[in-house]
Amino acid sequence: DQQVKQNSPSLSVQEGRISILNCDYTNSMFDYFLWYKKYPAEGPTFLISISSIKDKNEDGRFTVFLNKSAKHLSLHIVPSQPGDSAVYFCAASESSYKLIFGSGTRLLVRP
Amino acid sequence: NAGVTQTPKFRVLKTGQSMTLLCAQDMNHEYMYWYRQDPGMGLRLIHYSVGEGTTAKGEVPDGYNVSRLKKQNFLLGLESAAPSQTSVYFCASSYLAGNPTGELFFGEGSRLTVL
Repeated sequence: DQQVKQNSPSLSVQEGRISILNCDYTNSMFDYFLWYKKYPAEGPTFLISISSIKDKNEDGRFTVFLNKSAKHLSLHIVPSQPGDSAVYFCAASESSYKLIFGSGTRLLVRP
Repeated sequence: NAGVTQTPKFRVLKTGQSMTLLCAQDMNHEYMYWYRQDPGMGLRLIHYSVGEGTTAKGEVPDGYNVSRLKKQNFLLGLESAAPSQTSVYFCASSYLAGNPTGELFFGEGSRLTVL
C-alpha cells in the first residue's frame, strides 16, 4: 500500500517550457514534503521542501505547491533546462526523521 | 568533504552468501538510513538509526540486519542473500534532532546482484 504515489513514470517537455511533476499521498498525518532529484549513477539530492502549514514554496526556478484537501503536491520547474533531465522523487514525512518516497518520475527536457 | 560514503560500489553474490555494506558519514549526523531502489518502486526504507547503538525497522526490513556501533558508521548485512535482494542500495544521513526539514544526504549507491 503506497502512501506516496507518483502516477506518471515519465514526462517530456521542451526546453524553456514549464515542467509539472505531480505527487499524491494518502496519509493525512504527513507534515513535511520534499522533492529529490536523481541523476544516473548518483545518489538523490535534495531539491525543495514544504511544510504542511504552507501551500507554496519557491526557490528560483522551482516551486512546490501543496493542496492538503486533495492530498496532492506538485513541483513546477520554469523555465525547464536540459540539465533538469533526471528522475524526481516526491517524499513525505510524518515524524520528521523518516521519509517515505514515491516511485519517481523521469523528466526529459528536450533542447 | 566526503559526505556519505558507501562501500562496496558493486558486488555480485551467489544465493545464500552473506555480505555487509558499509556506510560512513563525516557530518556528525545523528540519523542514518538504508534504502533500496528498485524499478517502479522508488526508494524503500529498509532500516534506520536515530543514534549510536539504536536501530529500527523500516518498510522492508526482512532479510536484512543493521548495526550502528559508531555514530559515523551504519552497516547493512545480508545473512543469506536471495535474488529478490538484487537492487541498488542507498545510505543516507540526516542531522534532524528537532530540525523538521527531513533533508537527507545520500551516498552514491551500491549495486548488488544476487545470482
